[in-house]
Amino acid sequence: DIQMTQSPSSLSASVGDGVTVTCRASQTISSSLNWYQQKPGRAPKLLIYAASTLQSGVPSRFSGSGSGTDFTLTISSLQPEDFATYYCQQSYSSPQTFGQGTKVEIK
Amino acid sequence: EVQMLESGGDLVQPGGSLRLSCAAAGFTLRTYSLNWVRQAPGKGLEWVSGISASGGSKYYAESVKGRFTVSRDNSQNTLALQMNSLRAEDTAIYYCAKGSTVTTTGGYFDLWGRGTLVTVSS
Repeated sequence: DIQMTQSPSSLSASVGDGVTVTCRASQTISSSLNWYQQKPGRAPKLLIYAASTLQSGVPSRFSGSGSGTDFTLTISSLQPEDFATYYCQQSYSSPQTFGQGTKVEIK
Repeated sequence: EVQMLESGGDLVQPGGSLRLSCAAAGFTLRTYSLNWVRQAPGKGLEWVSGISASGGSKYYAESVKGRFTVSRDNSQNTLALQMNSLRAEDTAIYYCAKGSTVTTTGGYFDLWGRGTLVTVSS
């Protein structure tokens, strides 16, 4: 199975800050990397697919990059509604494993 | 409104069985792969099972292989997960998620249900 490792596990930031979350795959997954946002008590929501394509309706302050084994999710200017947990997921092969999550908290 | 809605979650004893269902509304499921993803209390997301659009290909996480069976009925626009020999560690919210492709890999999960809670406890 492909292992997905996110860092950091959690971070504290202020409204307006830029934030970067990284995700590393245990083997190459090309660009088959997706990012999801989950708020407490809610289902996950797709943010970015194929490493860098923004899902329809997602604000442009979110961006993704990377290929192969190393990927990043960047939020250019944190907004109050962005405080949540973020997960990466590889869809290169089954099982489609998720990272352990990165919780973005208010400083 | 397009949505997916899970049902069937319940409290069940260890060793017991449960069948989860997921119904789609506002669109047809027949051209998309479907998945089950679970989340134990306070934990992260774990992919459980996936099924191709035709139903001809099915995949399972090692943790549930041999105990869970995924199926779909494209005529009824539904997805199911039969869970047998349940264990305490299967306790979780179970989400159904629509894939973006006909196959189970290479895409993304673009529509999720609200989840249904399965609790395995004596």
